[in-house]
Amino acid sequence: DVKVTQSSRYLVKRTGEKVFLECVQDMDHENMFWYRQDPGLGLRLIYFSYDVKMKEKGDIPEGYSVSREKKERFSLILESASTNQTSMYLCASSYSEFRYEQYFGPGTRLTVT
Amino acid sequence: SQQGEEDPQALSIQEGENATMNCSYKTSINNLQWYRQNSGRGLVHLILIRSNEREKHSGRLRVTLDTSKKSSSLLITASRAADTASYFCATGLKGTDKLIFGTGTRLQVFP
Repeated sequence: DVKVTQSSRYLVKRTGEKVFLECVQDMDHENMFWYRQDPGLGLRLIYFSYDVKMKEKGDIPEGYSVSREKKERFSLILESASTNQTSMYLCASSYSEFRYEQYFGPGTRLTVT
Repeated sequence: SQQGEEDPQALSIQEGENATMNCSYKTSINNLQWYRQNSGRGLVHLILIRSNEREKHSGRLRVTLDTSKKSSSLLITASRAADTASYFCATGLKGTDKLIFGTGTRLQVFP
């Protein structure tokens, strides 16, 4: 079975802190994704990576950056956390070629105070 | 930009009844997928239907796709309390591996 793991289930950070969210997948998937989920808004794509060191902005990239140095690992970075970044963050991975389902991690609930 | 819109937003039924959820989308798609999310957890893929397919079954799940109306439905037959979750449709656009998710339907199945 595909396994996607995220570094923390719950995280509390202070405004202005630099925050790292880590995601690791074990199925040699080319694609990895970071979403945030907020009530009433569904899942919104922050960033997408289709290969090592390759990335593409999603719908809401402002305030975030990403890093993919190895195929299995995709990191989301909040350079200076703000209270409006309090949310559930979900990582996912998939094979490429426009026809595959995404596999999700358990999510990280981030609170910025 | 939200591609998929689910209807209804919330649905409550008794065990044994069928549950139907609908999804509408705006642009041409490569495929449409349905996911399930238990409270506070990640999403789990349920079923994928390609743009050239009209109906697909998987166990108690039946998905239909009408590309002329840009809509899909998910039917869960003989529901169980364990089916209580949020259900999301996601559209796969042509030429990209990205998915666009809707806002979801919250299903509550009472024993």
